[in-house]
Amino acid sequence: EAGVAQSPRYKIIEKRQSVAFWCNPISGHATLYWYQQILGQGPKLLIQFQNNGVVDDSQLPKDRFSAERLKGVDSTLKIQPAKLEDSAVYLCASSLDTATGELFFGEGSRLTVL
Amino acid sequence: GDSVTQMEGPVTLSEEAFLTINCTYTATGYPSLFWYVQYPGEGLQLLLKATKADDKGSNKGFEATYRKETTSFHLEKGSVQVSDSAVYFCALSSGAGSYQLTFGKGTKLSVIP
Repeated sequence: EAGVAQSPRYKIIEKRQSVAFWCNPISGHATLYWYQQILGQGPKLLIQFQNNGVVDDSQLPKDRFSAERLKGVDSTLKIQPAKLEDSAVYLCASSLDTATGELFFGEGSRLTVL
Repeated sequence: GDSVTQMEGPVTLSEEAFLTINCTYTATGYPSLFWYVQYPGEGLQLLLKATKADDKGSNKGFEATYRKETTSFHLEKGSVQVSDSAVYFCALSSGAGSYQLTFGKGTKLSVIP
């Protein structure tokens, strides 16, 4: 079974530019998550989708971050304009059954903002 | 709010040594507890979990027991191998029916032959 796919793996931009990350979850997984992992810290939840609806986006900096999952399958996370402190790995995860607590993570997209 | 505290790394052990990575938590209610592992070049993956007090999660020779009285979930393995070299994350979820994980900072383990 194919895992969670993310792209691009690496991205370098200058501050105030924009960037977009794409995630394709495991087929059939209704729940999709975006996490931000800053170097030396654990992943922090940005947003959670159930199908194409937002369950929780309370920790998403909405002045610059946006995310969508229009057809309830793949998702895009956008940052505009980027700040230096947005340098991090952006992790996408999906889950089939929210009762088990098992999230399946992609390899992540590493963003460097100069 | 919820939080997870792990022992600072990195941890370097010789092959066949005993491993303990400490994890304590703060949460409202009765959280579920997890250990996730990230091998070099790979995504995070679930190692083991426990959903209620005194439960023991186990997988691949690793074990952790949910201790409510000490709010702890320490990861142990009796004999580590080089292939266990990875970053280990303790995490909790206290959202009923919606698994939003709160992670610790991670502990990097290096096992040398």
